[in-house]
Amino acid sequence: GQNIDQPTEMTATEGAIVQINCTYQTSGFNGLFWYQQHAGEAPTFLSYNVLDGLEEKGRFSSFLSRSKGYSYLLLKELQMKDSASYLCAPSYNQGGKLIFGQGTELSVKP
Amino acid sequence: DSGVTQTPKHLITATGQRVTLRCSPRSGDLSVYWYQQSLDQGLQFLIQYYNGEERAKGNILERFSAQQFPDLHSELNLSSLELGDSALYFCASSVAFGPWEKLFFGSGTQLSVL
Repeated sequence: GQNIDQPTEMTATEGAIVQINCTYQTSGFNGLFWYQQHAGEAPTFLSYNVLDGLEEKGRFSSFLSRSKGYSYLLLKELQMKDSASYLCAPSYNQGGKLIFGQGTELSVKP
Repeated sequence: DSGVTQTPKHLITATGQRVTLRCSPRSGDLSVYWYQQSLDQGLQFLIQYYNGEERAKGNILERFSAQQFPDLHSELNLSSLELGDSALYFCASSVAFGPWEKLFFGSGTQLSVL
């Protein structure tokens, strides 16, 4: 399998910064997706990294290290609406299915 | 709105029954994916179709089957339903099937088996 590992839960304070880590299997790796899912709703696309480094998109940034099989999602200036599950999903060259990690449940508190 | 349409939104049925979930992909998308999400479980990949052909299979039970029709809509059939099949079933679509393809998810069908 893809051996996707991400923390189950995290808690942070409104206005703070939080980093959600993800490790995955590197054999045949192509790129890495992050999705956000609010409870009972559909997952929505946040980012896709294929090259090493940090990509910034507003309050959210995503980092990738291909050689280490490691990615993180960085959320700045946290808002209450950021409380959600964040899903890490590495994609592989054999293509087709996208396998998601178990997700990190982020709770943002006032 | 992702552009992916799933019907019905909710389905309540009894053990042993059979149900059909329907998905219409975004306009122009040729790939359809089905995922299952149980309480406290992650998104479990079931099956993928591309332009009418099965492309990839996950841990889909033999009691479950799917197909993609010439108009590209897809149906997921669940038979001999068990209590454990109660879950949120998502359909997603993408333009093609490469590893770079971004998936767009429908709002899901909540299945309750009583």
